Amino acid sequence: DTEVTQTPKHLVMGMTNKKSLKCEQHMGHRAMYWYKQKAKKPPELMFVYSYEKLSINESVPSRFSPECPNSSLLNLHLHALQPEDSALYLCASSLGQDGSYEQYFGPGTRLTVT
Amino acid sequence: QKEVEQDPGPLSVPEGAIVSLNCTYSNSAFQYFMWYRQYSRKGPELLMYTYSSGNKEDGRFTAQVDKSSKYISLFIRDSQPSDSATYLCAMGRYQGAQKLVFGQGTRLTINP
Repeated sequence: DTEVTQTPKHLVMGMTNKKSLKCEQHMGHRAMYWYKQKAKKPPELMFVYSYEKLSINESVPSRFSPECPNSSLLNLHLHALQPEDSALYLCASSLGQDGSYEQYFGPGTRLTVT
Repeated sequence: QKEVEQDPGPLSVPEGAIVSLNCTYSNSAFQYFMWYRQYSRKGPELLMYTYSSGNKEDGRFTAQVDKSSKYISLFIRDSQPSDSATYLCAMGRYQGAQKLVFGQGTRLTINP
């Protein structure tokens, strides 16, 4: 089973709200990723966690705050977002070991900032 | 110049045709290659992955990698309307962090 789940599927939030996106996988993967995807563009990497430690932050604004509580869960905390942050937010995971680099994506959370 | 170039299309072919999707890349350090299929408003689905030059087949799909020419292809045989989607190539390096570099994606429509 190569399933990554994400909740919620859709989220509408105001610019002063605080919300969180959740991602879960039970494949024993030790690397987890957050991507942002705008319409008709490829996914854009935001953060990488490897063995529950943040290993890559692609200069993402501090209004996005990732958290990896355990090896199966990944959260993205959102605060004071801008309308231009509206996008599809994708979570992905991979084994996280040399020799296995395939990344499996979840269905995404469609975020609208009003 | 982008690290990965992919013709965005759109590409429209009749049902049953053989489809060829292509990407070129400039960074010779790329060592693993993937193809994703993405339906509208859904997450990308991993279709094929390969870590070496040559061909890899899975059902109606064949992934081809030519590292000497820095060129990868995905062939779809006996194309079906359900294959209509955006196809993304992606690639990465063995060393360092597991960062995928994506092509722009090709929008494909299979007409019944």
